[in-house]
Amino acid sequence: RKEVEQDPGPFNVPEGATVAFNCTYSNSASQSFFWYRQDCRKEPKLLMSVYSSGNEDGRFTAQLNRASQYISLLIRDSKLSDSATYLCVVNKPPGTYKYIFGTGTRLKVLA
Amino acid sequence: EPEVTQTPSHQVTQMGQEVILRCVPISNHLYFYWYRQILGQKVEFLVSFYNNEISEKSEIFDDQFSVERPDGSNFTLKIRSTKLEDSAMYFCASSGGGGSSYEQYFGPGTRLTVT
Repeated sequence: RKEVEQDPGPFNVPEGATVAFNCTYSNSASQSFFWYRQDCRKEPKLLMSVYSSGNEDGRFTAQLNRASQYISLLIRDSKLSDSATYLCVVNKPPGTYKYIFGTGTRLKVLA
Repeated sequence: EPEVTQTPSHQVTQMGQEVILRCVPISNHLYFYWYRQILGQKVEFLVSFYNNEISEKSEIFDDQFSVERPDGSNFTLKIRSTKLEDSAMYFCASSGGGGSSYEQYFGPGTRLTVT
């Protein structure tokens, strides 16, 4: 099993649609989880941290399921500007400051 | 809004040469990182740095790599003898202390081309 696994996509969705991505991780001892977005040839930009209780930021909602070892990202009311690659990031135990990136899920929002 | 900066944006070097990539992390951050991303591949962790020493490193970060914080603002990655396979985008990141200590903010990257 890969350390961090994501469906590469692409997910092609119309504007206004709701889309969800999942990411699975292999190490049950991982404690830190994040979603980043990356535009082509640009740096990753932090979208949100993922907490055990789940968290929401505007149109974006992240959830953590420790039992099944996955995190999810839900984007509501998709905008053209949401088109990007979404990266799942998890710390690699026993390290706290050592991180594994998923390969990313590509999203294309269509007009 | 504070940001991480990196110089140069693009570096071309010949195989076997030494390169130094420079980063200025966000000023009140305490943890610093280097990552690389080979074109078309995923972002890979190289090293984390805290309190003037390496905190953690990956298998990629071998003896040809070193990091330094030579003054209060810069954070550098040195590659001693570059190989063709070192060609990649190198990202610096920093994170702060306290509750958000793990949230990393990335610089725009240095594209390293080894010929």
